[in-house]
Amino acid sequence: TQLLEQSPQFLSIQEGENLTVYCNSSSVFSSLQWYRQEPGEGPVLLVTVVTGGEVKKLKRLTFQFGDARKDSSLHITAAQPGDTGLYLCAGAGGTSYGKLTFGQGTILTVHP
Amino acid sequence: GAGVSQSPRYKVAKRGQDVALRCDPISGHVSLFWYQQALGQGPEFLTYFQNEAQLDKSGLPSDRFFAERPEGSVSTLKIQRTQQEDSAVYLCASSPGTSGLFQFFGPGTRLTVL
Repeated sequence: TQLLEQSPQFLSIQEGENLTVYCNSSSVFSSLQWYRQEPGEGPVLLVTVVTGGEVKKLKRLTFQFGDARKDSSLHITAAQPGDTGLYLCAGAGGTSYGKLTFGQGTILTVHP
Repeated sequence: GAGVSQSPRYKVAKRGQDVALRCDPISGHVSLFWYQQALGQGPEFLTYFQNEAQLDKSGLPSDRFFAERPEGSVSTLKIQRTQQEDSAVYLCASSPGTSGLFQFFGPGTRLTVL
């Protein structure tokens, strides 16, 4: 069984601060996806990383896939209140069709 | 529509009732996934369809859960004789290809079993 440990579970910061969310596993994943979910809505895909060591930047968000494809991180620079939400990492592995294993999520609150 | 839609958005059922949850994927998407999300948790995989074929149903919690996608488009998740532990948000996701690399989620159906 593949498991993804996501940390921290809760993060409360002030506007303008930087933060990093971690996603770790003992299993190798063929790809890893990051989602953001708001209350009452489904997860929204932020990025997919597929290559070990890959780094992708999306405005103030930086995503990294570990060299061994077992871990990933999401770094947000100069957080804004609009970044508030639940961040989920999800790994695909063990099947050819992308069955996802999700972490338990990080609830981020950015205070103005 | 432009995205994945699900109906109903909210469903309250009495224990023992049967429920049916509908998913309309993005037009032309080959792959369709169902996930279950308990309060405060990440989603958990239930089942996967490639067109009309159900290729993986390993995540369905019991034989009370049944899913179908008869024409390779709309999918229905049916839960028979609902129990309180079935209370959760049921999410549907579709993906354009068969790799599942880009999964687009619907808003979910929140099921509450009393």
